[in-house]
Amino acid sequence: AQTVTQSQPEMSVQEAETVTLSCTYDTSESDYYLFWYKQPPSRQMILVIRQEAYKQQNATENRFSVNFQKAAKSFSLKISDSQLGDAAMYFCAFTGANSKLTFGKGITLSVRP
Amino acid sequence: KAGVTQTPRYLIKTRGQQVTLSCSPISGHRSVSWYQQTPGQGLQFLFEYFSETQRNKGNFPGRFSGRQFSNSRSEMNVSTLELGDSALYLCASSLGTSGTHEQFFGPGTRLTVL
Repeated sequence: AQTVTQSQPEMSVQEAETVTLSCTYDTSESDYYLFWYKQPPSRQMILVIRQEAYKQQNATENRFSVNFQKAAKSFSLKISDSQLGDAAMYFCAFTGANSKLTFGKGITLSVRP
Repeated sequence: KAGVTQTPRYLIKTRGQQVTLSCSPISGHRSVSWYQQTPGQGLQFLFEYFSETQRNKGNFPGRFSGRQFSNSRSEMNVSTLELGDSALYLCASSLGTSGTHEQFFGPGTRLTVL
């Protein structure tokens, strides 16, 4: 069975600064996908970024980038130039051969003006 | 293109009742998955449907069931409601069943069981 661990329940960042959210996972599958989802107070889950396990290059999406360490089974999200709108709950998620998503417990990110 | 829609958005029921939640996927999407979100357990996978067939099922009791119609719309049903069933129920749709396909989430149905 796959597991996803987000050990930090909360983090805070100053506006315009950079913050890194941590995630580790465990799986025996060789082909899989990793995701970071954002859930603002409106509760709508939004995909922030995805990483295919077979790709060595770390995914980037504007101010969002990941540090994917396959051997260490680590998948962290870096948010650069943090904005007030980035305040939300962030979930790390895994999917393998099927599309079932396994989520971490989430981390609440607050942005200080 | 319209996003995933879920109805109703809010629901209040009492213990022992049953409830049906509905999810309309993005046009052209044939896979629909359901997740339960609670403060204690987080996000947990309920089941997935593709072309009217259940493809995957999570670790939930038989009181939780679902189905998918020929137009890909999906419903989930919870019978004999318990207090612990109070949760946000999220539906997600995607083009297919493999992990290559991005899942798009709806706004959720907030179920409160009294």
